[in-house]
Amino acid sequence: AQSVTQPDIHITVSEGASLELRCNYSYGATPYLFWYVQSPGQGLQLLLKYFSGDTLVQGIKGFEAEFKRSQSSFNLRKPSVHWSDAAEYFCAVAVYGGSQGNLIFGKGTKLSVKP
Amino acid sequence: KAGVTQTPRYLIKTRGQQVTLSCSPISGHRSVSWYQQTPGQGLQFLFEYFSETQRNKGNFPGRFSGRQFSNSRSEMNVSTLELGDSALYLCASNAGDRTDTQYFGPGTRLTVL
Repeated sequence: AQSVTQPDIHITVSEGASLELRCNYSYGATPYLFWYVQSPGQGLQLLLKYFSGDTLVQGIKGFEAEFKRSQSSFNLRKPSVHWSDAAEYFCAVAVYGGSQGNLIFGKGTKLSVKP
Repeated sequence: KAGVTQTPRYLIKTRGQQVTLSCSPISGHRSVSWYQQTPGQGLQFLFEYFSETQRNKGNFPGRFSGRQFSNSRSEMNVSTLELGDSALYLCASNAGDRTDTQYFGPGTRLTVL
């Protein structure tokens, strides 16, 4: 069955430090992969997505992610974290039934930023 | 362009009652999906509507239902509420093509007492 695993429940980094959030997926076909961010009490905002092509994807707010098929991974990175990046981050894979897909989400990684 | 809107934002109900949540998609979007978010289960897909037809359905009991109107607005209904239905209910819309990105609304926080 399709699934998404985010191994880290909570990560704390210092402001200005680099960040990598891990995501592993299980899906038989070519995956469509997404990273979303959720601030407290808010909905989900799309950071970036991978459908095909270049395996290094650039997103908003300085985030990027790299798709590695051999490792079934889609890790999110940012070279320098800002205090405003504190939020919960969700990796998702689109699963298709019929003509449209729904998203299967990982459990999320909560990011805290130390001043 | 206005984003996805959901009403109400907060709702308190008691066990056994029913509730209806509303979602207005981004203008021009024809697909609306609903997700339930809880601390224990995370984000789970409920169902998707496209052109007033349910196109996809998650693994939830029949107490959870939805519909979509001709203007693409969608409602979801939960009957005979249980304590475990307390959650953030998120609505997402997209243009309808399989590769389109889903854009999420702010959610409706439902508390069942």
